[in-house]
Amino acid sequence: KAGVTQTPRYLIKTRGQQVTLSCSPISGHRSVSWYQQTPGQGLQFLFEYFSETQRNKGNFPGRFSGRQFSNSRSEMNVSTLELGDSALYLCASSLDGKLFFGSGTQLSVL
Amino acid sequence: AQSVTQLGSHVSVSEGALVLLRCNYSSSVPPYLFWYVQYPNQGLQLLLKYTSAATLVKGINGFEAEFKKSETSFHLTKPSAHMSDAAEYFCAVSAMANTGFQKLVFGTGTRLLVSP
Repeated sequence: KAGVTQTPRYLIKTRGQQVTLSCSPISGHRSVSWYQQTPGQGLQFLFEYFSETQRNKGNFPGRFSGRQFSNSRSEMNVSTLELGDSALYLCASSLDGKLFFGSGTQLSVL
Repeated sequence: AQSVTQLGSHVSVSEGALVLLRCNYSSSVPPYLFWYVQYPNQGLQLLLKYTSAATLVKGINGFEAEFKKSETSFHLTKPSAHMSDAAEYFCAVSAMANTGFQKLVFGTGTRLLVSP
Protein backbone atom coordinates (compact mmCIF):
# COMPACT_ATOMS: atom_id res chain seq x y z
CA LYS A 1 0.00 0.00 0.00
CA ALA A 2 1.40 3.39 -0.95
CA GLY A 3 2.27 5.81 1.82
CA VAL A 4 1.31 9.44 2.23
CA THR A 5 2.40 11.40 -0.83
CA GLN A 6 3.17 15.11 -0.71
CA THR A 7 3.90 17.33 -3.68
CA PRO A 8 5.94 19.23 -4.49
CA ARG A 9 8.96 18.17 -2.47
CA TYR A 10 10.57 21.62 -2.59
CA LEU A 11 9.20 25.09 -3.24
CA ILE A 12 10.82 28.49 -3.42
CA LYS A 13 8.58 31.54 -3.26
CA THR A 14 8.98 35.24 -2.58
CA ARG A 15 7.27 37.33 0.08
CA GLY A 16 3.71 38.25 -0.75
CA GLN A 17 3.10 35.29 -3.03
CA GLN A 18 0.72 32.48 -2.29
CA VAL A 19 1.37 28.75 -2.39
CA THR A 20 -0.63 25.51 -2.55
CA LEU A 21 0.67 22.22 -1.21
CA SER A 22 -0.87 18.86 -1.98
CA CYS A 23 -1.27 15.68 0.06
CA SER A 24 -2.58 12.27 -0.97
CA PRO A 25 -3.35 10.09 2.06
CA ILE A 26 -2.96 6.36 2.38
CA SER A 27 -5.81 4.57 0.65
CA GLY A 28 -8.72 4.17 3.04
CA HIS A 29 -7.62 6.91 5.41
CA ARG A 30 -10.23 9.65 5.69
CA SER A 31 -8.49 11.95 8.15
CA VAL A 32 -5.72 14.25 6.98
CA SER A 33 -3.73 16.55 9.26
CA TRP A 34 -1.15 19.20 8.49
CA TYR A 35 1.83 20.19 10.63
CA GLN A 36 4.46 22.88 10.29
CA GLN A 37 8.03 22.08 11.32
CA THR A 38 10.59 24.83 11.91
CA PRO A 39 13.90 24.82 13.83
CA GLY A 40 12.62 27.47 16.20
CA GLN A 41 9.05 26.34 16.90
CA GLY A 42 9.35 22.62 16.27
CA LEU A 43 6.31 20.69 15.10
CA GLN A 44 3.03 22.57 15.31
CA PHE A 45 -0.47 21.46 14.36
CA LEU A 46 -2.13 23.44 11.59
CA PHE A 47 -5.48 21.75 10.95
CA GLU A 48 -7.25 18.45 10.34
CA TYR A 49 -9.82 17.43 7.78
CA PHE A 50 -12.22 14.52 7.81
CA SER A 51 -14.77 13.78 5.10
CA GLU A 52 -14.15 17.15 3.45
CA THR A 53 -14.77 19.07 6.70
CA GLN A 54 -12.26 20.89 8.85
CA ARG A 55 -12.65 19.36 12.31
CA ASN A 56 -9.84 21.07 14.16
CA LYS A 57 -7.59 24.06 13.69
CA GLY A 58 -4.36 25.12 15.35
CA ASN A 59 -3.23 28.62 16.27
CA PHE A 60 -2.22 29.91 12.90
CA PRO A 61 -3.40 33.08 11.14
CA GLY A 62 -6.14 33.02 8.54
CA ARG A 63 -3.52 33.14 5.78
CA PHE A 64 -3.23 29.40 6.32
CA SER A 65 -6.14 27.46 4.92
CA GLY A 66 -6.89 24.05 3.57
CA ARG A 67 -9.47 21.81 2.05
CA GLN A 68 -10.17 18.16 1.46
CA PHE A 69 -11.69 16.57 -1.60
CA SER A 70 -14.12 13.69 -1.86
CA ASN A 71 -11.24 11.26 -2.53
CA SER A 72 -9.63 12.39 0.78
CA ARG A 73 -6.81 14.21 -0.96
CA SER A 74 -6.04 17.48 0.76
CA GLU A 75 -4.51 20.80 -0.17
CA MET A 76 -3.06 23.48 2.02
CA ASN A 77 -2.83 27.11 0.95
CA VAL A 78 -0.77 29.93 2.38
CA SER A 79 -1.47 33.42 1.11
CA THR A 80 0.65 36.55 1.39
CA LEU A 81 3.75 34.60 2.28
CA GLU A 82 6.10 35.89 4.96
CA LEU A 83 9.73 35.00 5.58
CA GLY A 84 8.66 33.20 8.75
CA ASP A 85 6.53 30.79 6.75
CA SER A 86 9.69 29.04 5.59
CA ALA A 87 9.31 25.54 6.99
CA LEU A 88 8.81 21.88 6.32
CA TYR A 89 5.08 21.24 5.95
CA LEU A 90 4.09 17.72 6.86
CA CYS A 91 0.87 15.99 6.02
CA ALA A 92 -0.34 12.95 7.92
CA SER A 93 -3.21 10.57 7.34
CA SER A 94 -4.77 8.73 10.21
CA LEU A 95 -6.33 5.37 10.91
CA ASP A 96 -6.99 3.70 14.27
CA GLY A 97 -5.37 6.55 16.13
CA LYS A 98 -2.05 6.29 14.31
CA LEU A 99 -0.74 9.11 12.19
CA PHE A 100 1.34 8.27 9.15
CA PHE A 101 3.39 11.12 7.78
CA GLY A 102 4.53 12.02 4.31
CA SER A 103 8.04 13.22 3.52
CA GLY A 104 6.89 16.83 3.56
CA THR A 105 7.16 19.89 1.37
CA GLN A 106 10.11 22.15 2.13
CA LEU A 107 8.97 25.73 1.55
CA SER A 108 11.52 28.52 1.34
CA VAL A 109 10.29 32.11 1.29
CA LEU A 110 12.80 34.64 0.00
CA ALA B 1 -3.84 20.92 27.96
CA GLN B 2 -1.12 18.48 27.11
CA SER B 3 2.60 18.84 26.70
CA VAL B 4 5.76 16.79 26.51
CA THR B 5 9.29 17.55 27.58
CA GLN B 6 12.21 15.77 26.03
CA LEU B 7 15.31 15.95 28.17
CA GLY B 8 18.46 16.51 26.16
CA SER B 9 18.47 17.96 22.68
CA HIS B 10 21.40 15.67 21.79
CA VAL B 11 22.32 12.21 23.01
CA SER B 12 25.55 10.50 21.95
CA VAL B 13 26.18 6.77 22.24
CA SER B 14 28.65 4.28 20.87
CA GLU B 15 27.54 1.55 18.51
CA GLY B 16 26.35 -1.40 20.61
CA ALA B 17 25.58 0.73 23.67
CA LEU B 18 22.22 1.21 25.34
CA VAL B 19 20.03 3.97 23.93
CA LEU B 20 17.89 5.92 26.40
CA LEU B 21 15.85 8.91 25.25
CA ARG B 22 13.81 10.65 27.90
CA CYS B 23 10.27 11.97 27.65
CA ASN B 24 8.00 13.35 30.35
CA TYR B 25 4.42 14.27 29.65
CA SER B 26 1.68 16.38 31.11
CA SER B 27 -1.95 15.54 30.48
CA SER B 28 -5.22 16.24 32.24
CA VAL B 29 -6.74 13.06 30.83
CA PRO B 30 -5.30 9.59 30.27
CA PRO B 31 -2.86 10.17 27.45
CA TYR B 32 -1.97 8.47 24.27
CA LEU B 33 1.80 8.60 23.83
CA PHE B 34 3.92 8.17 20.75
CA TRP B 35 7.52 8.05 19.67
CA TYR B 36 8.41 9.07 16.12
CA VAL B 37 11.74 9.05 14.32
CA GLN B 38 12.80 11.47 11.60
CA TYR B 39 15.72 10.85 9.29
CA PRO B 40 17.29 13.78 7.40
CA ASN B 41 15.03 15.22 4.72
CA GLN B 42 12.27 12.79 5.61
CA GLY B 43 8.90 12.84 7.31
CA LEU B 44 8.15 11.21 10.65
CA GLN B 45 7.96 7.46 11.07
CA LEU B 46 5.97 5.94 13.92
CA LEU B 47 8.14 3.83 16.24
CA LEU B 48 5.53 2.91 18.81
CA LYS B 49 2.31 3.97 20.48
CA TYR B 50 0.96 3.66 24.03
CA THR B 51 -2.80 3.43 24.49
CA SER B 52 -3.09 1.97 28.02
CA ALA B 53 -3.25 -1.65 26.90
CA ALA B 54 0.20 -2.44 28.34
CA THR B 55 2.77 -0.29 30.09
CA LEU B 56 5.69 -1.75 28.14
CA VAL B 57 5.31 -1.05 24.46
CA LYS B 58 7.45 -2.70 21.83
CA GLY B 59 8.04 -0.90 18.58
CA ILE B 60 9.89 -1.28 15.35
CA ASN B 61 13.67 -1.58 14.92
CA GLY B 62 14.15 -3.01 18.42
CA PHE B 63 12.89 0.06 20.29
CA GLU B 64 10.59 -0.10 23.28
CA ALA B 65 9.14 2.37 25.76
CA GLU B 66 7.71 2.03 29.24
CA PHE B 67 4.79 4.10 30.48
CA LYS B 68 5.22 5.11 34.13
CA LYS B 69 2.22 7.02 35.40
CA SER B 70 3.78 7.80 38.78
CA GLU B 71 6.71 9.48 37.04
CA THR B 72 4.67 10.83 34.09
CA SER B 73 7.37 9.39 31.86
CA PHE B 74 7.55 7.48 28.61
CA HIS B 75 11.24 6.91 27.96
CA LEU B 76 12.44 5.22 24.78
CA THR B 77 15.11 2.53 24.96
CA LYS B 78 17.03 0.17 22.72
CA PRO B 79 19.51 -2.36 24.13
CA SER B 80 22.13 -1.99 21.41
CA ALA B 81 22.55 1.02 19.14
CA HIS B 82 23.21 0.69 15.42
CA MET B 83 24.74 3.33 13.21
CA SER B 84 21.44 3.41 11.32
CA ASP B 85 19.66 4.63 14.48
CA ALA B 86 21.24 8.05 14.13
CA ALA B 87 18.26 10.37 13.62
CA GLU B 88 15.98 12.79 15.45
CA TYR B 89 13.42 11.34 17.80
CA PHE B 90 10.18 12.99 18.83
CA CYS B 91 7.90 12.15 21.72
CA ALA B 92 4.27 13.18 21.31
CA VAL B 93 1.11 13.17 23.40
CA SER B 94 -2.55 13.35 22.48
CA ALA B 95 -6.02 12.81 23.81
CA MET B 96 -8.65 11.07 21.76
CA ALA B 97 -11.46 13.44 20.99
CA ASN B 98 -15.05 12.25 20.72
CA THR B 99 -14.66 12.51 16.98
CA GLY B 100 -11.78 10.05 17.09
CA PHE B 101 -9.31 12.70 16.03
CA GLN B 102 -5.93 12.85 17.65
CA LYS B 103 -4.08 16.13 17.59
CA LEU B 104 -0.47 15.41 18.44
CA VAL B 105 1.54 17.73 20.65
CA PHE B 106 5.22 17.11 20.01
CA GLY B 107 8.30 17.56 22.12
CA THR B 108 11.25 19.52 20.80
CA GLY B 109 13.08 16.42 19.69
CA THR B 110 16.30 14.61 20.64
CA ARG B 111 19.03 14.06 18.10
CA LEU B 112 20.68 10.68 18.57
CA LEU B 113 24.31 10.47 17.48
CA VAL B 114 25.90 7.03 17.15
CA SER B 115 29.67 6.71 16.93
CA PRO B 116 31.59 3.63 15.74
